[in-house]
Amino acid sequence: GAGVSQSPSNKVTEKGKDVELRCDPISGHTALYWYRQRLGQGLEFLIYFQGNSAPDKSGLPSDRFSAERTGESVSTLTIQRTQQEDSAVYLCASSLNSGVNTEAFFGQGTRLTVV
Amino acid sequence: AQKVTQAQTEISVVEKEDVTLDCVYETRDTTYYLFWYKQPPSGELVFLIRRNSFDEQNEISGRYSWNFQKSTSSFNFTITASQVVDSAVYFCALSESDSWGKLQFGAGTQVVVTP
Repeated sequence: GAGVSQSPSNKVTEKGKDVELRCDPISGHTALYWYRQRLGQGLEFLIYFQGNSAPDKSGLPSDRFSAERTGESVSTLTIQRTQQEDSAVYLCASSLNSGVNTEAFFGQGTRLTVV
Repeated sequence: AQKVTQAQTEISVVEKEDVTLDCVYETRDTTYYLFWYKQPPSGELVFLIRRNSFDEQNEISGRYSWNFQKSTSSFNFTITASQVVDSAVYFCALSESDSWGKLQFGAGTQVVVTP
């Protein structure tokens, strides 16, 4: 596609339910990143993928959070047993590779609201 | 510990005024990269610049300019002759050698340009 696509754009869920957020990177981009942005705050790194492996998952806040990527393409971020503090915009980005000289392009995010 | 500090939460200016956004970073690496991103009200982050730690030359791109000073660990961003379309949140970010794929963002500075 032309850009990074995320779905859904908005998600409202009840506390305790599981949610899946999807990211379609730019075609040919081998690196993919997930960030979280709480209201009025900066972006928090969650995890990044180079291909299908995740060299750095240090930002995942708890074991309720997991992510996977298959076929060097789509990635899914799963949050189990959602809590109200999980409410945030979840942003995905992709780049040609994870090398330092490549620019990351961001999607428009998924706004998650846990009620 | 916060590695990127953007002390200004919000700056309001009248159109055509210049505005400078401060960014102070902290790292023990000798090789690192600094970034600025713009987040307009639509929410999608837009890449503005990437600068490596060995290049302290100031850069100008149209109305945008950047002042990188390693001695003070600062990477400040100036918008000259601001326009209403410059209204956005601007983020400074750092990438270090232990995980190039991971951008560490500051909290952002909201710029409001009024006509």
